[in-house]
Amino acid sequence: EPEVTQTPSHQVTQMGQEVILRCVPISNHLYFYWYRQILGQKVEFLVSFYNNEISEKSEIFDDQFSVERPDGSNFTLKIRSTKLEDSAMYFCASSVRKNVDTQYFGPGTRLTVL
Amino acid sequence: AQTVTQSQPEMSVQEAETVTLSCTYDTSESDYYLFWYKQPPSRQMILVIRQEAYKQQNATENRFSVNFQKAAKSFSLKISDSQLGDAAMYFCAYRSAVRPGQGNLIFGKGTKLSVKP
Repeated sequence: EPEVTQTPSHQVTQMGQEVILRCVPISNHLYFYWYRQILGQKVEFLVSFYNNEISEKSEIFDDQFSVERPDGSNFTLKIRSTKLEDSAMYFCASSVRKNVDTQYFGPGTRLTVL
Repeated sequence: AQTVTQSQPEMSVQEAETVTLSCTYDTSESDYYLFWYKQPPSRQMILVIRQEAYKQQNATENRFSVNFQKAAKSFSLKISDSQLGDAAMYFCAYRSAVRPGQGNLIFGKGTKLSVKP
């Protein structure tokens, strides 16, 4: 059964450094999402992406964040200058269509900012 | 804005017994989707069940079923014949079906379910 994959599973970085989190959505899906979950808190929406552009974003997704689909399979989330409060689990998800279809989640990347 | 509330931070159930997890939501929209996701210790979010608001019939997936009360804005999850593998964090989530661009999921804070052998 096809699934969303994410790499790395755990990333440790120093405050101020740039990180890139990678996701490979399910191959026939067209909509891609990033969510984050700070430890012990609810899952929060960051951004959705369709047709090579951002479809919607939350207030969390400020200028420090960017997303890209550099090739036909990868979907990346970049944090330009990490802060301590960026430490969280980051989940990628994908769906065939937006409002109708179920979003399938990847296993997540745990980001630790020191 | 839509909100999702899970009022039970933790629940416990005996193996083979039945447990119900509560979820309420607030919305002014007439059409939407509701989901239950399971997050085991591995942290991966796994879809358990999905309900379309326009459907009156409650969704069922094997041992998992929902009680969807649209007027009361309630969406509870019932797990029958609980198994040790059901132990996880359960998140209720809402998604609009009417507003363009509103594809994102809105999650509750979750309920941690423990299953006792």
